[in-house]
Amino acid sequence: GNSVTQMEGPVTLSEEAFLTINCTYTATGYPSLFWYVQYPGEGLQLLLKATKADDKGSNKGFEATYRKETTSFHLEKGSVQVSDSAVYFCHSSGSARQLTFGSGTQLTVLP
Amino acid sequence: NAGVTQTPKFRILKIGQSMTLQCTQDMNHNYMYWYRQDPGMGLKLIYYSVGAGITDKGEVPNGYNVSRSTTEDFPLRLELAAPSQTSVYFCATRDVSYEQYFGPGTRLTVT
Repeated sequence: GNSVTQMEGPVTLSEEAFLTINCTYTATGYPSLFWYVQYPGEGLQLLLKATKADDKGSNKGFEATYRKETTSFHLEKGSVQVSDSAVYFCHSSGSARQLTFGSGTQLTVLP
Repeated sequence: NAGVTQTPKFRILKIGQSMTLQCTQDMNHNYMYWYRQDPGMGLKLIYYSVGAGITDKGEVPNGYNVSRSTTEDFPLRLELAAPSQTSVYFCATRDVSYEQYFGPGTRLTVT
C-alpha cells in the first residue's frame, strides 16, 4: 500500500527563517499527496495538495512539489512566522483503509 | 455548511463507564473515519466506513464499536472505558479527491 516517511521533529526556527520539512512516499501507482496542519487544540486541516507528478501545491506562503523521480513532497516556506507554529503532517491517498498519519513534525517559530 | 461536527467537546469518564462520541457531516461524503491522537503522537485509525451500512476496523479497534446507519452520522461507542482510552478523538470525512475534513475533536479523560 501507499505510505509516507516524514522528517521527525521537533523543528525550532527563528522568525523569517527558511523552512523545509522532508516527506518521501512509496506507492503503487500515482497517489495524491497532501500536507495537513494542526494548530494547538484544533483538528487537522488541509494546507496544500498535489494530484500528479510535477504539480506544485501552495497556500499561505507554503509550497510543495510532487517529484516522481525522487518520490518526494517536501514542504517549504521562505520566511516563517510565529503564527506558523503547529504540527505538520504529510499524507498520501491510498486504499479505503486509510493509513495512519504518523506523528507529524512539530514546528516552533520563535520571535 | 457546518462540515464535520463532533459532540461532546470534552468528557471525563470513570473506569468501566460507557459513552458514545457523536460525529455528523453535511457534505454527503461516503467515507468517514475515527482517529485517536495521544499527546505528542500522530493519529491512529480506529474504524472507518465507506458508506451507510458498511464499517471496518482500522489499526486500533479494540474497546470501540461503530455504526453507520445514515450517510451523515458515524457514532463511536466506548464500552467499559479504560485509562488507556484517554485521548483526543477526531472524526473525519473524505471526498472523491482523497482530501480529508476533520472535526474539532473530543477530549476524553478516563480516570
